Amino acid sequence: AQKVTQAQTEISVVEKEDVTLDCVYETRDTTYYLFWYKQPPSGELVFLIRRNSFDEQNEISGRYSWNFQKSTSSFNFTITASQVVDSAVYFCALSAANAGKSTFGDGTTLTVKP
Amino acid sequence: GAVVSQHPSRVICKSGTSVKIECRSLDFQATTMFWYRQFPKKSLMLMATSNEGSKATYEQGVEKDKFLINHASLTLSTLTVTSAHPEDSSFYICSARDQRGNQPQHFGDGTRLSIL
Repeated sequence: AQKVTQAQTEISVVEKEDVTLDCVYETRDTTYYLFWYKQPPSGELVFLIRRNSFDEQNEISGRYSWNFQKSTSSFNFTITASQVVDSAVYFCALSAANAGKSTFGDGTTLTVKP
Repeated sequence: GAVVSQHPSRVICKSGTSVKIECRSLDFQATTMFWYRQFPKKSLMLMATSNEGSKATYEQGVEKDKFLINHASLTLSTLTVTSAHPEDSSFYICSARDQRGNQPQHFGDGTRLSIL
């Protein structure tokens, strides 16, 4: 069975602070994908990143960066110099390779205050 | 890029009504689509896997007679909430995966269903 744990239910920061959202996963699959999605108040899911289980390279995209540590089954997400527009619920998700369907964590609500 | 269109985005209707939600892949073919349900301030829970040309696969605890799924073509899956009641009020979201493989699933924008 697959499981995704996002231990932080809510995080509140002040604009320009850096913030890290934690994600820990469990799976018996040897090949899998990890995802991060953003869900703004309007409700739609915005795809942020997909990482293959074989690729442990960290990734940076603008103010976003991701740290994949297979040894600790973690896939953490850092926002540098946070902005008010970053306020949203962020979901970490896991899917087996070629399975398509995803198991989601409970989400972390990020509030960035001006 | 690939887009999944979900319609309608919002539905408000009376108890007892049946509601149909459409999920379309606009520029790719999807033999498999997925339907999720999200309660307020909760995570997305997979309801069922929609398979083109065959029966949907439902997750444990999901009533297949309540939530009818039809996947009649490679670009369209529909979810019908039959005889909806207030407890069916929720955010329903679909996703589709390009059958060419090695592609992430793409989500629709969701349907907010409110049953009065």
